[in-house]
Amino acid sequence: DAGVIQSPRHEVTEMGQEVTLRCKPISGHNSLFWYRQTMMRGLELLIYFNNNVPIDDSGMPEDRFSAKMPNASFSTLKIQPSEPRDSAVYFCASSLTVQFFGPGTRLTVL
Amino acid sequence: DAKTTQPPSMDCAEGRAANLPCNHSTISGNEYVYWYRQIHSQGPQYIIHGLKNNETNEMASLIITEDRKSSTLILPHATLRDTAVYYCIVLTNAGKSTFGDGTTLTVKP
Repeated sequence: DAGVIQSPRHEVTEMGQEVTLRCKPISGHNSLFWYRQTMMRGLELLIYFNNNVPIDDSGMPEDRFSAKMPNASFSTLKIQPSEPRDSAVYFCASSLTVQFFGPGTRLTVL
Repeated sequence: DAKTTQPPSMDCAEGRAANLPCNHSTISGNEYVYWYRQIHSQGPQYIIHGLKNNETNEMASLIITEDRKSSTLILPHATLRDTAVYYCIVLTNAGKSTFGDGTTLTVKP
């Protein structure tokens, strides 16, 4: 198995632009998690899905952030409009019981 | 979810056992103890988990106290490649997780 796949691995964009991060979970897993990691705040859970349904989005910072999971093999995290303070590494993880993390997307908003 | 407390940093000599402690005094009966590590900016890597019995796999051993309020991750023969940030978290299976600041383990030659 290829593990959790995230794309792009690096993204540099300008303030105000829309950013879409993508995640392909491990086949057969029924839960998917989006995290954000910064030096200041550490690793934060943004949202998680179970069987494609959002269960808890209390970690989503504000309305500029949205996440979707249209099917069991794909999820997106969108930021619109992006701001410099959104710069971070964004991780996707999937699980059946144990969470396995992807390699992350390093986002830089100029 | 129960919160965990870990020392911010630890050193270990290469080839020796590394013992990383974690306190989780508010753990609930159905919450598991999980350990992950993160090397540089890579994604956190799963190490081991347990409910109340001690566990061992090819990477490490997990010792959970009888009252389940604390645990210790043991890397039996630490190598330089084990230098990483180690996170202890507690959660129900497939439940919401909260990562703390973890312990930065530095393995020295």
